Amino acid sequence: GAVVSQHPSWVICKSGTSVKIECRSLDFQATTMFWYRQFPKQSLMLMATSNEGSKATYEQGVEKDKFLINHASLTLSTLTVTSAHPEDSSFYICSATPPSKGIYNEQFFGPGTRLTVL
Amino acid sequence: RKEVEQDPGPFNVPEGATVAFNCTYSNSASQSFFWYRQDCRKEPKLLMSVYSSGNEDGRFTAQLNRASQYISLLIRDSKLSDSATYLCVVNGGDQAGTALIFGKGTTLSVSS
Repeated sequence: GAVVSQHPSWVICKSGTSVKIECRSLDFQATTMFWYRQFPKQSLMLMATSNEGSKATYEQGVEKDKFLINHASLTLSTLTVTSAHPEDSSFYICSATPPSKGIYNEQFFGPGTRLTVL
Repeated sequence: RKEVEQDPGPFNVPEGATVAFNCTYSNSASQSFFWYRQDCRKEPKLLMSVYSSGNEDGRFTAQLNRASQYISLLIRDSKLSDSATYLCVVNGGDQAGTALIFGKGTTLSVSS
């Protein structure tokens, strides 16, 4: 149980285009999902917390107008990188916590999406 | 001060060696502690949760010292397959649904 999927697994796009990444919890409902970004040889950095039915909470330094997050249902959150530029090339990973875990929030990660902007 | 700090790597050890990783965290309100393993170009996968009483899972032993805000991971009888980056992870507070905070990770390379 507790499987999280992401789509696509990798994407290459031209500078200036927008890219949508989907994160799904396959066998549980997730009121909260998290979006992380990882640059080469760096740790995962939290970008935003996605709450079902409400606006996402963005971390300091993350542009909310550039990284649009929509959490329309209890099993789906999407991250749209708008007007992508080469510096947005990174490994984007989502995670979700089954509600029964409470504060002992072991998070389950999606397989990640590798974005390359040319 | 960084929120989660780990030993700088990489650790290069022969098969069969015992290796220990250390980690400190700054948020005293944190309630959940984990070690994750991340293979190259893959997502992190939970290795083990860390409890105040210490816990062991096969060759892996994790310890938590809340007073010192210190977490450790001991790997005994290292295998080639243990080569990976080990991430010390702490939750950001005492509320359900808080995000996890990751250390930069320590890379382990086990050689034959």
